Amino acid sequence: EDQVTQSPEALRLQEGESSSLNCSYTVSGLRGLFWYRQDPGKGPEFLFTLYSAGEEKEKERLKATLTKKESFLHITAPKPEDSATYLCAVQEDTGFQKLVFGTGTRLLVSP
Amino acid sequence: KAGVTQTPRYLIKTRGQQVTLSCSPISGHRSVSWYQQTPGQGLQFLFEYFSETQRNKGNFPGRFSGRQFSNSRSEMNVSTLELGDSALYLCASSLAGAQVGDTQYFGPGTRLTVL
Repeated sequence: EDQVTQSPEALRLQEGESSSLNCSYTVSGLRGLFWYRQDPGKGPEFLFTLYSAGEEKEKERLKATLTKKESFLHITAPKPEDSATYLCAVQEDTGFQKLVFGTGTRLLVSP
Repeated sequence: KAGVTQTPRYLIKTRGQQVTLSCSPISGHRSVSWYQQTPGQGLQFLFEYFSETQRNKGNFPGRFSGRQFSNSRSEMNVSTLELGDSALYLCASSLAGAQVGDTQYFGPGTRLTVL
């Protein structure tokens, strides 16, 4: 069965203090790994899709990387508006659109 | 381009009642998936519809059902509500549903409270 584990559960950073979030996964065949951001009371907002080991994608202060067993979301010089829960999900190559999510990392960035 | 819309946004029901939630996907998107989000279990897959057919189903009891219409709009129904059904129900849509890493875009969700 597909599994996704995210760490840490919660992370508190000072504005400008860079860090990384981890997503470890087991899946029989990976179609894609997805990163979403979720603000309280809202639906997840799409950030990145990664398809194969070695792939990297960047967007503003965020950079996502992928290996065969895990993905990292690097946050460079975060700002308070980056505070949110970051969710990682995997899609199996036989499961159509089904996403299996981790429990997320709650990020709080203080000014 | 309008995003995924869900109605209603908030709902309060009592145990034993049934409820119907609605989802309108992004224009041109043919696949609609439903997820349940709770503090204890996180986001869990309920089912996926594509061209009015259920293609995949998660591990939920038969009280949870859904359907998709010819215009790709989707509804999900929960019968005989239980306290544990209180959750945020999220709908997500994607383009064709069969392509590599087809991105799903989520709606704002319907917050269901069962009393």
